[in-house]
Amino acid sequence: AQKVTQAQTEISVVEKEDVTLDCVYETRDTTYYLFWYKQPPSGELVFLIRRNSFDEQNEISGRYSWNFQKSTSSFNFTITASQVVDSAVYFCALSEAQTGANNLFFGTGTRLTVIP
Amino acid sequence: DSGVTQTPKHLITATGQRVTLRCSPRSGDLSVYWYQQSLDQGLQFLIQYYNGEERAKGNILERFSAQQFPDLHSELNLSSLELGDSALYFCASSSPRGARDTQYFGPGTRLTVL
Repeated sequence: AQKVTQAQTEISVVEKEDVTLDCVYETRDTTYYLFWYKQPPSGELVFLIRRNSFDEQNEISGRYSWNFQKSTSSFNFTITASQVVDSAVYFCALSEAQTGANNLFFGTGTRLTVIP
Repeated sequence: DSGVTQTPKHLITATGQRVTLRCSPRSGDLSVYWYQQSLDQGLQFLIQYYNGEERAKGNILERFSAQQFPDLHSELNLSSLELGDSALYFCASSSPRGARDTQYFGPGTRLTVL
């Protein structure tokens, strides 16, 4: 069965600090897709990144970077030099190929608070 | 702005009532998904439609139903509402390109059942 675990419920950092949000997943599928979404206080869900299971290359986008490691079933998200605008709930999600469906399984989210 | 629109933004109703939530996908997207976000259950997949046909079902209650119309907009119908149905309901859409398309979410409809 599929599962996404975000063990960190809440994290607080001071502005300009780096912070890493952890995501561990479980799946029996050999082909799957991992996502990160951001939910700011306004409530909408904003897509950040998608990673395919066959592509373990790490990715950097500005202050954001993602570390995908199949060996440890982890897909961690790092924010460098955090800003107050980064305060939000961040969700990691998994989509499996073999189910034939495309729905996302979400973790419980990590609430990040960046203190000015 | 994801390009996915949802109406209404807020909905307050009483137990036992029926409501309809509406979603318009991004231009060109054929798939529509509905998710429920509640404090106790987190974000849960309810149902997916692709080009008018039901594609997948998740933890959707029998009191809930959905459909996708020829113009690709979708409606989620919630009936015999209970206090526990209070939640944020999201619609998402994805394009037909590729096998596992990225889902873009609308702003959500916050349903409060009193």
